[in-house]
Amino acid sequence: DVKVTQSSRYLVKRTGEKVFLECVQDMDHENMFWYRQDPGLGLRLIYFSYDVKMKEKGDIPEGYSVSREKKERFSLILESTSTNQTSMYLCASSLMRAGELFFGEGSRLTVL
Amino acid sequence: DQQVKQNSPSLSVQEGRISILNCDYTNSMFDYFLWYKKYPAEGPTFLISISSIKDKNEDGRFTVFLNKSAKHLSLHIVPSQPGDSAVYFCAASGSGSARQLTFGSGTQLTVLP
Repeated sequence: DVKVTQSSRYLVKRTGEKVFLECVQDMDHENMFWYRQDPGLGLRLIYFSYDVKMKEKGDIPEGYSVSREKKERFSLILESTSTNQTSMYLCASSLMRAGELFFGEGSRLTVL
Repeated sequence: DQQVKQNSPSLSVQEGRISILNCDYTNSMFDYFLWYKKYPAEGPTFLISISSIKDKNEDGRFTVFLNKSAKHLSLHIVPSQPGDSAVYFCAASGSGSARQLTFGSGTQLTVLP
């Protein structure tokens, strides 16, 4: 059974703190993605990666960075959190570049 | 500028009846369309897809219809069941600048027993 695992389900941080969200997939997929989900806005793409050490900006990369040191692992980094980064963060992987995505369960981040 | 639009934030349907969820898109480069279903506190899961070379795709109780000239697709669920209550996201992708999946804002479906 395919699995995408996100390291933290719920986090509460104060403004200015650093957040590191980790995502691991066990399907040997080349492609990995980070989205955020907000009410009324759907899922918006933050960053994606088609290969190890490769990254590309999505639609809303400002305030975020990513790291892909190993094929199975894709991390999202918020260097200095702000309240507008309070959101549900979803990691996904796929076999094809624009094919079916397999999502993790999400990490709900609250920034106070 | 939303390239994929789901204009109904919510929909309520009686158990056993048909649920119809709608999605419109603006980018003519889109040629592959998907529907995802999301329960609270879980990640979205893939439901059904359709390529632009087809106008209909069925999978059990779920059927997706694509009208390319109107840039419109719809998801039909027949018969609707209480377990279908979830948020449904429409997504689209294509070539070039449209190669990444673009999602709509979602429709909350509630199936009443």
